Amino acid sequence: EIVLTQSPGTLSLSPGERATLSCRASQTVISSYVAWYQQKPGQAPRLLIYGASSRATGIPDRFSGSGSRTDFTLTISGLEPEDFAVYYCQQYSSSSYTFGQGTKLEIK
Amino acid sequence: QLQLQESGPGLVKPSETLSLTCTVSGDSFSNNNYYWGWVRQPPGKGLEWIGNIFYSGSTYYNPSLKSRVTISVDTSKNQFSLRLSSVTAADTAVYYCARYWQNYYYYMDVWGKGTTVTVSS
Repeated sequence: EIVLTQSPGTLSLSPGERATLSCRASQTVISSYVAWYQQKPGQAPRLLIYGASSRATGIPDRFSGSGSRTDFTLTISGLEPEDFAVYYCQQYSSSSYTFGQGTKLEIK
Repeated sequence: QLQLQESGPGLVKPSETLSLTCTVSGDSFSNNNYYWGWVRQPPGKGLEWIGNIFYSGSTYYNPSLKSRVTISVDTSKNQFSLRLSSVTAADTAVYYCARYWQNYYYYMDVWGKGTTVTVSS
């Protein structure tokens, strides 16, 4: 099973700043199999990024994804108040999905 | 607009079987571009993939849950279901149903709102 490790666990930033969230895989992952989700309290996760770098429908362009092999990054440029949430990365391999443990983005 | 809605008992006794149904509205359930499945989230914890199913009946399960999980589909009702047997307190979670794209890209693009299931006597 491929394990995804997200860092940091918690990120404290102010609105307008840039957020960089990391997702590291225990083995090489095919980039098209990597996605990122945003989850706010009491809500279901929302797809942000698929294929490591493609924005989902309706996602603002301040969200961007990058990376390859074992290291993937979600960047949020110019944080808006509604961006403070928990973010999860996801990968698919061997007919199974796994998620990272999440990064909580909180207001500083 | 596609919507998914989970339904089922909110309380299940230990050792019994958890049963949930997801009703799909707003799109053809038999669209052969998509799989349908389940993800859960224990209180205060992260997301755990449970499994998914194609409308034809092909299933894929989390290896750690495989011995206890069954996902089935009823295309006539636009529904798919989850059964998790021999539950314990560790199965207490919010259960989400979701639509999966699995063709070159692999992701979950539409989610239900989730339903809370508590395992307790």
